Amino acid sequence: AQKVTQAQTEISVVEKEDVTLDCVYETRDTTYYLFWYKQPPSGELVFLIRRNSFDEQNEISGRYSWNFQKSTSSFNFTITASQVVDSAVYFCALSEANTGGFKTIFGAGTRLFVKA
Amino acid sequence: DTGVSQDPRHKITKRGQNVTFRCDPISEHNRLYWYRQTLGQGPEFLTYFQNEAQLEKSRLLSDRFSAERPKGSFSTLEIQRTEQGDSAMYLCASSDNRGQIVGELFFGEGSRLTVL
Repeated sequence: AQKVTQAQTEISVVEKEDVTLDCVYETRDTTYYLFWYKQPPSGELVFLIRRNSFDEQNEISGRYSWNFQKSTSSFNFTITASQVVDSAVYFCALSEANTGGFKTIFGAGTRLFVKA
Repeated sequence: DTGVSQDPRHKITKRGQNVTFRCDPISEHNRLYWYRQTLGQGPEFLTYFQNEAQLEKSRLLSDRFSAERPKGSFSTLEIQRTEQGDSAMYLCASSDNRGQIVGELFFGEGSRLTVL
């Protein structure tokens, strides 16, 4: 069964601090996809990144970076030099290829507060 | 290209009434999904369509819930005999999975249901 755990319910940082959001997943499939989505106060979930299980290269996009480690089943997300606009709920998600990839399972989310 | 649109954005109803939500996906996206999100939780998968075919339904979707996607375009989610436990945000998402197994989800702003 697939499962995503985001142990951090809320994180509060001061602007310009770095912050890491943790994500641990469970799956029996060897081929799967991991995602991060952002849900700002306006409510609409926005896609940030997708990784497949065969690509463990870390990725950097501007102030965002992702660390994928299959050995620990983790897919952590780091925001460098956080800004107030980063305040949102962030969801980690998992989709297994053996289900046709249709069923994306989300974690409970981590609410990030960035104070000016 | 417009995004995923949902209607109505808010619905307040009395227990026992029927409600219907509509979702217009991004044009030419072949997959359409319904999720439910309650306060402090991540989206929970309800059902999905590949074109006009409903291929999977979650156990969360009781027989009071029905979804359709006629002609593989817009979709409707109907809840009959609403209960207070149905109060939630109902999210629609679409994805383009042609040529790959798992595409990212594009979400609408959601339809918030309050059952009194």
